[in-house]
Amino acid sequence: DGGITQSPKYLFRKEGQNVTLSCEQNLNHDAMYWYRQDPGQGLRLIYYSQIVNDFQKGDIAEGYSVSREKKESFPLTVTSAQKNPTAFYLCASRWDRTAGELFFGEGSRLTVL
Amino acid sequence: AQKVTQAQTEISVVEKEDVTLDCVYETRDTTYYLFWYKQPPSGELVFLIRRNSFDEQNEISGRYSWNFQKSTSSFNFTITASQVVDSAVYFCALSEMNRDDKIIFGKGTRLHILP
Repeated sequence: DGGITQSPKYLFRKEGQNVTLSCEQNLNHDAMYWYRQDPGQGLRLIYYSQIVNDFQKGDIAEGYSVSREKKESFPLTVTSAQKNPTAFYLCASRWDRTAGELFFGEGSRLTVL
Repeated sequence: AQKVTQAQTEISVVEKEDVTLDCVYETRDTTYYLFWYKQPPSGELVFLIRRNSFDEQNEISGRYSWNFQKSTSSFNFTITASQVVDSAVYFCALSEMNRDDKIIFGKGTRLHILP
């Protein structure tokens, strides 16, 4: 079945450590997105990519990094520079840059100990 | 600036009651798209509907209906005869044609359907 796979589902990290969240899609979508969700804050855009080897910062990119070496993959690294990394992270993709709906993965919950 | 406002943070209704979730948006573009998503307790967002700015027809899908009114910049969502399985967080979102590929989400409305 086509879809988006995020891993791991739960992740614990010590302060000062970098961690990478995986996002893979087999929908053949060009555009991919990373959102962060905090209680009562809705979804906030971290990074997005319209095409391989290209990506743009979203509204809260500080302390995060991404890469887009393959169409299917858009990993997110939460660096030690991110001051408050504990959150629920959602990866998404869509077939059309404006009109298409987003397809979401199941999310990754990161907890910093 | 583009903005989506869901003023209702949390709503509780008794099963079988009708409930309307409000969504008000701001945009300078004449061409844009509006969306509704459902987020059940499992966490994954599920797409419910997309509506473009040129189509103001109301949409009905089973117990779900959507009322799009450009005059008031609103795209409200009604669940008729609510069921416990409708309990979730619902998000309204906006995508503009001439904006850099972003979809802007409202903060969501948490809906509790009480048995």
